[in-house]
Amino acid sequence: EPEVTQTPSHQVTQMGQEVILRCVPISNHLYFYWYRQILGQKVEFLVSFYNNEISEKSEIFDDQFSVERPDGSNFTLKIRSTKLEDSAMYFCASSQEAASTDTQYFGPGTRLTVL
Amino acid sequence: SQKIEQNSEALNIQEGKTATLTCNYTNYSPAYLQWYRQDPGRGPVFLLLIRENEKEKRKERLKVTFDTTLKQSLFHITASQPADSATYLCALGHRGSTLGRLYFGRGTQLTVWP
Repeated sequence: EPEVTQTPSHQVTQMGQEVILRCVPISNHLYFYWYRQILGQKVEFLVSFYNNEISEKSEIFDDQFSVERPDGSNFTLKIRSTKLEDSAMYFCASSQEAASTDTQYFGPGTRLTVL
Repeated sequence: SQKIEQNSEALNIQEGKTATLTCNYTNYSPAYLQWYRQDPGRGPVFLLLIRENEKEKRKERLKVTFDTTLKQSLFHITASQPADSATYLCALGHRGSTLGRLYFGRGTQLTVWP
């Protein structure tokens, strides 16, 4: 069964450094998402992406964050200058259609630790 | 303020019994509601989707109901098994948002003991 993959599984970085989290969505999916989950907290939406542009972003997704689909398979989340509070699990998700009619498939996540 | 509340943080039941998890929402206008399973350190796994005009959905041992008057969804696992032990997340799609943004509750941790 096709699945969403994410790399790396764990990323440790120093505060102020840039990180890029990578995702390979399911191949025929058109809608892409990033969520994060701080330890012990709920899953929170960051951004949705469709047709090569951001569809919606949350208040968390400030100027330090950016997303890109550099080729036909990868979907990346960049944090330009990491802060301690960026430490969380970051999940990529994709769906073939908008989620009102289709499910979102989540990847296994990247655990980001900012020191 | 907008809230999605799932019943107790933890629910413990005996194998073979029915687990019932609740999801209540405030100040959302959901077009649909989804239930996910999450195991420790893993991503959410989709279980069921129910739309605002649907009352009930079933899939094998799982059943979900959706009452937009009560602003509540119930999620049932019948004949529960220890392998059902996980955290279950309620997530809704709000009419004021676009293209699939999901709003999650904090989850209910279910433990099924033999």
